[in-house]
Amino acid sequence: NAGVMQNPRHLVRRRGQEARLRCSPMKGHSHVYWYRQLPEEGLKFMVYLQKENIIDESGMPKERFSAEFPKEGPSILRIQQVVRGDSAAYFCASSPEQGRGSYEQYFGPGTRLTVT
Amino acid sequence: AQSVSQHNHHVILSEAASLELGCNYSYGGTVNLFWYVQYPGQHLQLLLKYFSGDPLVKGIKGFEAEFIKSKFSFNLRKPSVQWSDTAEYFCAVNDYKLSFGAGTTVTVRA
Repeated sequence: NAGVMQNPRHLVRRRGQEARLRCSPMKGHSHVYWYRQLPEEGLKFMVYLQKENIIDESGMPKERFSAEFPKEGPSILRIQQVVRGDSAAYFCASSPEQGRGSYEQYFGPGTRLTVT
Repeated sequence: AQSVSQHNHHVILSEAASLELGCNYSYGGTVNLFWYVQYPGQHLQLLLKYFSGDPLVKGIKGFEAEFIKSKFSFNLRKPSVQWSDTAEYFCAVNDYKLSFGAGTTVTVRA
């Protein structure tokens, strides 16, 4: 009974490189959420996706960040031309496709991105 | 927009002491309320949740929380903590996306 999977767990990138973070939701879950946790801060919502659709990206920086959740395969959070300020823990969560009142989200272990 | 405020940044306790962590939120609509815990080196786990019904919610590991609508609060309690309760605790509110508080680090001394 696998939970939410994220890889890699740790990622080191130099300034200007691209970072690609992957998230496989729990089996049967079709809703994926990405959150970012900066040092000494709580988690901040970034984006909410369903299969092949971005539902809410109000928390995503306007530039360099993008997310997708294709029909097949994991959800991808992509950060282009990374800067030191992108260093953070990025968490993915998933939830089942149910009506309102069942918005319990299950979290993955996170990817710790370090930009040098 | 929703916001969540956790009153304590760091709490230090001795084993068997009682714990209460404050959480207040601002949101005008119907809310779902959660407490998550993050043990050192581990990912977020759900402690308990409130959607509707009895405002006193019991969760895992002896934790409970009380939803007080008039105070916009959802405080977490445990009558007697253990060393293994050392962790970071997050209060969260959602309609479909979670808004988290900044977290409270709880250190339990043996």
